[in-house]
Amino acid sequence: GQQVMQIPQYQHVQEGEDFTTYCNSSTTLSNIQWYKQRPGGHPVFLIQLVKSGEVKKQKRLTFQFGEAKKNSSLHITATQTTDVGTYFCAAPGGGGTSYGKLTFGQGTILTVHP
Amino acid sequence: NAGVMQNPRHLVRRRGQEARLRCSPMKGHSHVYWYRQLPEEGLKFMVYLQKENIIDESGMPKERFSAEFPKEGPSILRIQQVVRGDSAAYFCASSPDQGGPYGYTFGSGTRLTVV
Repeated sequence: GQQVMQIPQYQHVQEGEDFTTYCNSSTTLSNIQWYKQRPGGHPVFLIQLVKSGEVKKQKRLTFQFGEAKKNSSLHITATQTTDVGTYFCAAPGGGGTSYGKLTFGQGTILTVHP
Repeated sequence: NAGVMQNPRHLVRRRGQEARLRCSPMKGHSHVYWYRQLPEEGLKFMVYLQKENIIDESGMPKERFSAEFPKEGPSILRIQQVVRGDSAAYFCASSPDQGGPYGYTFGSGTRLTVV
């Protein structure tokens, strides 16, 4: 089945430092989504990337989708304590254009030290 | 516009009892998904349902677990004869259509503790 590998598992940064998490798939993805889960909370949808090489920005967050549509990254510039949480990538299950079920990466737990 | 509603938020069950978790999707959403999350772990897919139909249950344990999404009322995830290993957070999500650009909307989850 669809597998999405995400690294690193943990990241500790000082406030103001940058942060990046990476997501890799062995198969070509139709799209990739990113979610954030605050401690004790539930996952919240951040963005969806569809096109090869796509780059999208949300304030200090930059999302990229690889040219081969097999990898993606989320970069946060100048982290703040409000960025604390777990960041997940997610891809449609079954590969190809199969939607519905999403397979989530293991997540990157971000800790920001003030 | 209410989001995805899950209840109860916390559920404590003794080993051998049944657990019933409820999920009402967002208004206008006809697709419901259940995920399980262990502490500091990822989200594991369990089941995908539409009204009165199970679309994909490939993540459901073969025994003791069942799910439904009736024509009227919320989706129900039922765990019979619970064991300690069932302790986890169970999240429900909904979407308006397959592969829509707005991702899933998750509920706040049900934290199940088996004692």
